[in-house]
Amino acid sequence: QAVLTQPSSLSASPGASASLTCTLRSGINVGTYRIYWYQQKPGSPPQYLLWHTSDSDKHQGSGVPSRFSGSKDASANAGILLISGLQSEDEADYYCMIWHSSGHYVFGTGTKVTVL
Amino acid sequence: QLQLQESGPGLVKPSETLSLTCTVSGGSTSSSSYYWGWIRQPPGKGLEWIGSIYYSGSTYYNPSLKSRVTIYVDTSKNQFSLKLTSVTAADTALYYCATEVGKQQPNSFDYWGQGTLVTVSS
Repeated sequence: QAVLTQPSSLSASPGASASLTCTLRSGINVGTYRIYWYQQKPGSPPQYLLWHTSDSDKHQGSGVPSRFSGSKDASANAGILLISGLQSEDEADYYCMIWHSSGHYVFGTGTKVTVL
Repeated sequence: QLQLQESGPGLVKPSETLSLTCTVSGGSTSSSSYYWGWIRQPPGKGLEWIGSIYYSGSTYYNPSLKSRVTIYVDTSKNQFSLKLTSVTAADTALYYCATEVGKQQPNSFDYWGQGTLVTVSS
């Protein structure tokens, strides 16, 4: 079982909101982790979007629109990237990442977002 | 604004050593403000962190690759490098160098090179 599991794909209409989940493996409590989010468009390297630990401890990447935001669902043991007002340019792969307690970075499995 | 550029052979034979270099411009590899990292992406698949190094020489490696990986910095050339030994076809990937901005982990990878494709094949 992967440390960070993301749905492989998600489709939504322009203007809608898209909620991307990053589920932590059982035994790893989302509450203590800073969840990083990256966007990767075809043929390009990933771009850092934001990180979220709590509503009082978060960071938005430079130039990243405010319609990208992070949150957590403790009941699901998951980090969430919310994209509001989905635009065609948001069509991309999205990866979450954590700094594992044993001292290494782990990326999620990635979600491909399609804007219909 | 940091800029990163990967370089190295695009084809490596199985069991041999993969060697890549990342040349840094717009910043110094001897700065205490950055960690220098390598991340790879097999064709059509997700991202895998390989490891990072701090200017002091402290290294942090993916446990699954640790026995085969060495990352080091050459401050005289403003470069950092990756060596991965005993490669197999499973090491075929697009290799990115990337920079963490911060004096203490964890950090976001704020700057990325364009990536270089390395194929392992005889």
